[in-house]
Amino acid sequence: AQKVTQAQTEISVVEKEDVTLDCVYETRDTTYYLFWYKQPPSGELVFLIRRNSFDEQNEISGRYSWNFQKSTSSFNFTITASQVVDSAVYFCALSEARRGNEKLTFGTGTRLTIIP
Amino acid sequence: KAGVTQTPRYLIKTRGQQVTLSCSPISGHRSVSWYQQTPGQGLQFLFEYFSETQRNKGNFPGRFSGRQFSNSRSEMNVSTLELGDSALYLCASSPEGSGPTGEQFFGPGTRLTVL
Repeated sequence: AQKVTQAQTEISVVEKEDVTLDCVYETRDTTYYLFWYKQPPSGELVFLIRRNSFDEQNEISGRYSWNFQKSTSSFNFTITASQVVDSAVYFCALSEARRGNEKLTFGTGTRLTIIP
Repeated sequence: KAGVTQTPRYLIKTRGQQVTLSCSPISGHRSVSWYQQTPGQGLQFLFEYFSETQRNKGNFPGRFSGRQFSNSRSEMNVSTLELGDSALYLCASSPEGSGPTGEQFFGPGTRLTVL
């Protein structure tokens, strides 16, 4: 069975600080996909990134960066120079690629508050 | 392009009743997935439909069912409602083929309260 753990329930940082959100996953499959989604106060989940299990290259998109390490089963998310608009709940998720088992399993989320 | 729309946005029912929720995906998207979000259980996958067929299913009892129409619109039904079914029900659509393994676009959700 697949599992995603986000040990940080809530994080608060002062604006312009960097912050890293941790994600650890478990799966028996060799082919899988990892995601990060953002849920702002409005409630709609917003896709941030998708990474397949064969691509361990780190990715940077503006102030956002992701560090994928298969050796530690982690897919961490860093926000550089945080802004108030980054305040949201962030979910890490995993989907296996076997046909019929393509279900997205979410972590419990990390509530990030950026203090102005 | 219009986003994913869900109706109704809010719903109040009583135990034992049944409810139908509707989801219209983004134009051109043929995969629709449903999720339940509760404070206790978090976000959980219900099922995914593609081309009017259920392609993937989560671990929910048979009281939870769904269907998809030829225009890709989807409905989910919950029969014999229980208090624990109170939740935010989210619908997500994705471009052809990807489903839960690809980028999904979520709707605003339907907030169901069971009294």
